[in-house]
Amino acid sequence: NAGVMQNPRHLVRRRGQEARLRCSPMKGHSHVYWYRQLPEEGLKFMVYLQKENIIDESGMPKERFSAEFPKEGPSILRIQQVVRGDSAAYFCASSPGTDRDTIYFGEGSWLTVV
Amino acid sequence: DAKTTQPPSMDCAEGRAANLPCNHSTISGNEYVYWYRQIHSQGPQYIIHGLKNNETNEMASLIITEDRKSSTLILPHATLRDTAVYYCIVRGLNTGTASKLTFGTGTRLQVTL
Repeated sequence: NAGVMQNPRHLVRRRGQEARLRCSPMKGHSHVYWYRQLPEEGLKFMVYLQKENIIDESGMPKERFSAEFPKEGPSILRIQQVVRGDSAAYFCASSPGTDRDTIYFGEGSWLTVV
Repeated sequence: DAKTTQPPSMDCAEGRAANLPCNHSTISGNEYVYWYRQIHSQGPQYIIHGLKNNETNEMASLIITEDRKSSTLILPHATLRDTAVYYCIVRGLNTGTASKLTFGTGTRLQVTL
């Protein structure tokens, strides 16, 4: 897990607020993936991005969720108007840049909505 | 990506080998078998992957049957720190949208004294 940095590690938001989760991929990695893990459930794919491009967002909820990976800076997962059901662990992962590369995960960001 | 089937849970005594099976009977020729594990409250950790040959690294060995329809992850000397959920994942390559990992329910390995 070394190298993929996520922050904040823990975030508490009131219902209706916005949550922003940041992910800095491993050095030299240009692909980023976001996963969500609800309490006592498995890991669910959300979105796959390359620099400035969304490649696959088939797992993203249609509303309130967005992700970006700008040319400079970390990838951001943004959740608008959070609800209690958004409480989960959000994991970011990265890979170097080809489909054959191993994907490495960060330690996660735990979002609690109160 | 092909689906995988794993037993929901297994026990292993510390110091013994842990053999975790995985069935992937619908795997296709360009799909690799990956293994990850998730220790409680941590991010998934890459263990090993292979296509058709057996693989070994410092963490584990991966044995893939000749027909590639099943595989076994072997932790040669399990320790308490190996207690985790182990995920067997078949990953299709060569196309951008197929390069994500699709996690199933995994096998919860409990290593005991």
